[in-house]
Amino acid sequence: DVKVTQSSRYLVKRTGEKVFLECVQDMDHENMFWYRQDPGLGLRLIYFSYDVKMKEKGDIPEGYSVSREKKERFSLILESASTNQTSMYLCASSPGTGPRNTIYFGEGSWLTVV
Amino acid sequence: AQSVTQLDSQVPVFEEAPVELRCNYSSSVSVYLFWYVQYPNQGLQLLLKYLSGSTLVKGINGFEAEFNKSQTSFHLRKPSVHISDTAEYFCALKTSYDKVIFGPGTSLSVIP
Repeated sequence: DVKVTQSSRYLVKRTGEKVFLECVQDMDHENMFWYRQDPGLGLRLIYFSYDVKMKEKGDIPEGYSVSREKKERFSLILESASTNQTSMYLCASSPGTGPRNTIYFGEGSWLTVV
Repeated sequence: AQSVTQLDSQVPVFEEAPVELRCNYSSSVSVYLFWYVQYPNQGLQLLLKYLSGSTLVKGINGFEAEFNKSQTSFHLRKPSVHISDTAEYFCALKTSYDKVIFGPGTSLSVIP
């Protein structure tokens, strides 16, 4: 089975802190994604990556950055956390480009910024 | 621009009753449609997908969905729900550019 692992399930951080959310997939997938999930808004794409060291902005990249130094690992970085970034963050991966490639999700990271 | 609408934010239904979760989409290009389920405190899991061919798609856990191009809809149905179906359900579309757009979600609550 495909496994997408998000290292931290629950985090509480202070405003202004730098926050790292880590994600690892074990199926050699090309594509990796970071989504933010908020009630009533569904999932919104923050950043995605088609290859190592490559990244593309999604719909809501402001206040976030990403890093993909190795194929299996995709990190989301909040340079200076703010309370409006309190949310559930979901990492996902897929084998390649195209509609037939299923997207696999991790279990999510609940981030609270106080 | 593409978009996905889920008209019902919450759907309560009694156990063993049928359920329909509605999804409508907007797109000027061909799309591929998906339903995902999210159980409490978990990530999203693919229920079913429509890529081409038969407009009636069967998925896991007894769910099915029908693609209706003229009505731009992709409603999810189950003839008899169980307590274990209580979850958040997301409709999503993907274009040929591989970007996935999710709807806001429908919370299904199955009442014993």
